[in-house]
Amino acid sequence: SAVISQKPSRDICQRGTSLTIQCQVDSQVTMMFWYRQQPGQSLTLIATANQGSEATYESGFVIDKFPISRPNLTFSTLTVSNMSPEDSSIYLCSAKRDYNEQFFGPGTRLTVL
Amino acid sequence: SQQGEEDPQALSIQEGENATMNCSYKTSINNLQWYRQNSGRGLVHLILIRSNEREKHSGRLRVTLDTSKKSSSLLITASRAADTASYFCATDARGKLIFGQGTELSVKP
Repeated sequence: SAVISQKPSRDICQRGTSLTIQCQVDSQVTMMFWYRQQPGQSLTLIATANQGSEATYESGFVIDKFPISRPNLTFSTLTVSNMSPEDSSIYLCSAKRDYNEQFFGPGTRLTVL
Repeated sequence: SQQGEEDPQALSIQEGENATMNCSYKTSINNLQWYRQNSGRGLVHLILIRSNEREKHSGRLRVTLDTSKKSSSLLITASRAADTASYFCATDARGKLIFGQGTELSVKP
């Protein structure tokens, strides 16, 4: 298994600002992902964080709004840019090794006022 | 877009009873994974079943997979109040995990 930590665990932000969420895995993993969970909803995949190259975004998500970095095999960041109240969600980092179990961080609970 | 559909959306049972949740999906998969989430916290990985497997057990959990029907079920036996949570199935089709809508399970003491 992999232990995943995220920082911050929660934040309250003002409209128009940006927040960067950090994700750290305790061991090398093949793949890292970012998900969003809106209130009362299931998880939606935002993007796959690729090491050393641009992230691969899912339909409906764009790099300008959700820039992602992955400088090495154990660390990634997600920035939520120019935030609006609609961005209020839980953002979860996830990681796995090839076709095996995929583990999740504890999530970052974001509230935008 | 969501790959899986789960039913029921909500399930309320008494402690000691069994709980069954079902998941259907649309495309071919490599594996299917079940997760538990307590009150908006992080996801706990419960079990992974691969496309060439039909049944797996882990403690009080039993998962089945029917690839011909593109469906899976999660059975929790002898439920406890601590099992109260949301349960999600997620399918791994092209190296990424896509989630169903989830089942909200309430176990009353």
